[in-house]
Amino acid sequence: EAGVAQSPRYKIIEKRQSVAFWCNPISGHATLYWYQQILGQGPKLLIQFQNNGVVDDSQLPKDRFSAERLKGVDSTLKIQPAKLEDSAVYLCASSLDGTYGYTFGSGTRLTVV
Amino acid sequence: RKEVEQDPGPFNVPEGATVAFNCTYSNSASQSFFWYRQDCRKEPKLLMSVYSSGNEDGRFTAQLNRASQYISLLIRDSKLSDSATYLCAVRSNQGGKLIFGQGTELSVKP
Repeated sequence: EAGVAQSPRYKIIEKRQSVAFWCNPISGHATLYWYQQILGQGPKLLIQFQNNGVVDDSQLPKDRFSAERLKGVDSTLKIQPAKLEDSAVYLCASSLDGTYGYTFGSGTRLTVV
Repeated sequence: RKEVEQDPGPFNVPEGATVAFNCTYSNSASQSFFWYRQDCRKEPKLLMSVYSSGNEDGRFTAQLNRASQYISLLIRDSKLSDSATYLCAVRSNQGGKLIFGQGTELSVKP
């Protein structure tokens, strides 16, 4: 079974620029999550999708972050404009139905300079 | 108070030692509990689920204490390859999202 695919692996941008991350979940997984992991901390949920609908985006900084999951499969997470404090690893995860632990992708490491 | 809190690390232990990690959670209605392992610069990987009666997988034993709202992970006969950060995760009673602790770093030395 193919895992969760994410791209790019690394991204370096200047503050105030925009950036987008892409995620392709495990085939058939209805639930998709985006997490932010700052160095030395645990992952923090940004947004959760069930198929193409948003279940939880309470911790998404909506003034600069946006995410979509068109057609209930792939998802993109965008930051515009980026701030220095957005430097982190952005992890995508998927789950069949949200009842078990999920599988993470390898993440995108973002550095904002 | 954070929703999920773990023992501060790092833990430095010799090979063969037994080491235990604790994790407390604040939401008494939490339903599911997990331990993840995260190697340096890698993604978290599910190590084991934690069941109410406690469960074991080889050298790893996980326990849940609902009354005191904590979970634990015991690693026996530590190996060099056990060196990693261990994250506990708690599923809230809504929607299926996992809330993670900050992680505890383990370093096993020869």
